[in-house]
Amino acid sequence: SQQGEEDPQALSIQEGENATMNCSYKTSINNLQWYRQNSGRGLVHLILIRSNEREKHSGRLRVTLDTSKKSSSLLITASRAADTASYFCAPDDSSYKLIFGSGTRLLVRP
Amino acid sequence: DVKVTQSSRYLVKRTGEKVFLECVQDMDHENMFWYRQDPGLGLRLIYFSYDVKMKEKGDIPEGYSVSREKKERFSLILESASTNQTSMYLCASGGGTYTEAFFGQGTRLTVV
Repeated sequence: SQQGEEDPQALSIQEGENATMNCSYKTSINNLQWYRQNSGRGLVHLILIRSNEREKHSGRLRVTLDTSKKSSSLLITASRAADTASYFCAPDDSSYKLIFGSGTRLLVRP
Repeated sequence: DVKVTQSSRYLVKRTGEKVFLECVQDMDHENMFWYRQDPGLGLRLIYFSYDVKMKEKGDIPEGYSVSREKKERFSLILESASTNQTSMYLCASGGGTYTEAFFGQGTRLTVV
């Protein structure tokens, strides 16, 4: 498997604003997953997008995938203080491993 | 409700001790993983297992070993704990192709 690189490393926004974070990877994938980690806890799965999908929605989350650019983005709309967390992407090339990068630290200010 | 349970939330051990971190899952997953997480370094894969008694090294296996005698249990062993192994350790299961991984709550290990 391969590591995704999240960008930016840190993001600070006001409550109610949208937050966008990006993930780039190097080789072809079967799917790409996004996870959230609240401070000091384990990761929680948010959404999985398959390589033949371009966009996927789940509640206030919107994920896009551009396989030609080898990149994905996660958009959180109408952010809340509870969205404050670190966000990680995990590109899956169908090996057994799940590799994570350093994540994007999102701070939503009340 | 699916569960991945790590045996301890916080642990303090002395340098040179043999340390066992236990992880149990109740989802009948074949894949299980151990990561460590340090500030600024993200999650780094130590070892993973794709079946009982099968294991493969991740990116940073030095100083660690693992055991998977039963499908539901994956143990991480620090053969001789050192201060540079002070870290947050995360266990996960699942994560096969097109499926999500489930994480335990993490064990914060301090080696003194």
